[in-house]
Amino acid sequence: DTEVTQTPKHLVMGMTNKKSLKCEQHMGHRAMYWYKQKAKKPPELMFVYSYEKLSINESVPSRFSPECPNSSLLNLHLHALQPEDSALYLCASSQAGLAGNTGELFFGEGSRLTVL
Amino acid sequence: GENVEQHPSTLSVQEGDSAVIKCTYSDSASNYFPWYKQELGKRPQLIIDIRSNVGEKKDQRIAVTLNKTAKHFSLHITETQPEDSAVYFCAASNPNDYKLSFGAGTTVTVRA
Repeated sequence: DTEVTQTPKHLVMGMTNKKSLKCEQHMGHRAMYWYKQKAKKPPELMFVYSYEKLSINESVPSRFSPECPNSSLLNLHLHALQPEDSALYLCASSQAGLAGNTGELFFGEGSRLTVL
Repeated sequence: GENVEQHPSTLSVQEGDSAVIKCTYSDSASNYFPWYKQELGKRPQLIIDIRSNVGEKKDQRIAVTLNKTAKHFSLHITETQPEDSAVYFCAASNPNDYKLSFGAGTTVTVRA
């Protein structure tokens, strides 16, 4: 299984809603990532988890809250978002361990978020 | 931190011609250089990568070259086909962190 699975594929939410994005991988990867991507722009790193611990937070606003319940799952909790947060949210995983990046990122299909 | 610059931002080629995209990076510690292809509405997909102990790598119609001294690397697509139309991103990372620094992307259009 070389897939990273994300749900939901599409999400529309109001600025007062609370929702969550979910990501799952069964490749035994110990690093998992959240990226945000606007149309025709490169993915922007938001968070990195390594061995279920948050290792990088790229100064992301607190209205985005990541969670890594176990080595296969990664969630992104959303609360009080703004219209400018509308984007494609990509989850990714890699074999990277504490020694550093060992290579390929495997991306999920993404969750397309629209904030009204 | 690492800074990756990518050129050109758009590239239009006739079907069957070659396409070349160039990237430069700033961090001499970077040692892994992947290229991602992203079709409209799809996820970025790795198409080829190269590590700093290698100067060139080929996979069918695509090839990547790396010049560590000059800190630049390039993607070459030969015999382009309409299905090569996509946005291509180069990236660079070093072994000391988890960050993959992306270039700004090149929109490639292959004209039939």
